[in-house]
Amino acid sequence: AQKITQTQPGMFVQEKEAVTLDCTYDTSDQSYGLFWYKQPSSGEMIFLIYQGSYDEQNATEGRYSLNFQKARKSANLVISASQLGDSAMYFCAMSPMDSSYKLIFGSGTRLLVRP
Amino acid sequence: DADVTQTPRNRITKTGKRIMLECSQTKGHDRMYWYRQDPGLGLRLIYYSFDVKDINKGEISDGYSVSRQAQAKFSLSLESAIPNQTALYFCATSEEERGAHNEQFFGPGTRLTVL
Repeated sequence: AQKITQTQPGMFVQEKEAVTLDCTYDTSDQSYGLFWYKQPSSGEMIFLIYQGSYDEQNATEGRYSLNFQKARKSANLVISASQLGDSAMYFCAMSPMDSSYKLIFGSGTRLLVRP
Repeated sequence: DADVTQTPRNRITKTGKRIMLECSQTKGHDRMYWYRQDPGLGLRLIYYSFDVKDINKGEISDGYSVSRQAQAKFSLSLESAIPNQTALYFCATSEEERGAHNEQFFGPGTRLTVL
């Protein structure tokens, strides 16, 4: 079964430091997409970054980068130079190559940035 | 104006009542989705639709029904609400033919409480 696992329910990071949020996935598909979304306390879901399974380079978007290790089936999110506004829930998700094009979400990691 | 809107944003209802959650989008996307978010469980897919004549069940469709009234509108109904349907509900849209890069754009969510 396809599954996303986020093993860190909550994390702290000091402002201006980098933090890594872990994500592992389980799929037998050869082609799939991996996503990270941010959910602030206001509740909306904000797309952060995408990595395709065939992409050779790790994805980067500003302060966000995705550490993609295909053999280990991991897709960790790295946030550099943390800011207070980064405090939120972070969800890892996978898009399998089936007819639904749905997203399968992990249970999330709550990040708190300390001043 | 927001690209994906949901109404109502908050709703409190009683057990046994029928309730409809509405979603509208101006992104011109064909694919629309309804997800449910429970604490500690991430988002789970309820229903999805690829066009007005195409409706598909997700992993947790029991107790829900949907209607795709137009390309831009996708409604979720609870025919007889029960307390364990208390959750945050999200509508999402995505473009067609993006393969694994199925980035989904989320509405702001509807917080539903069933007493």
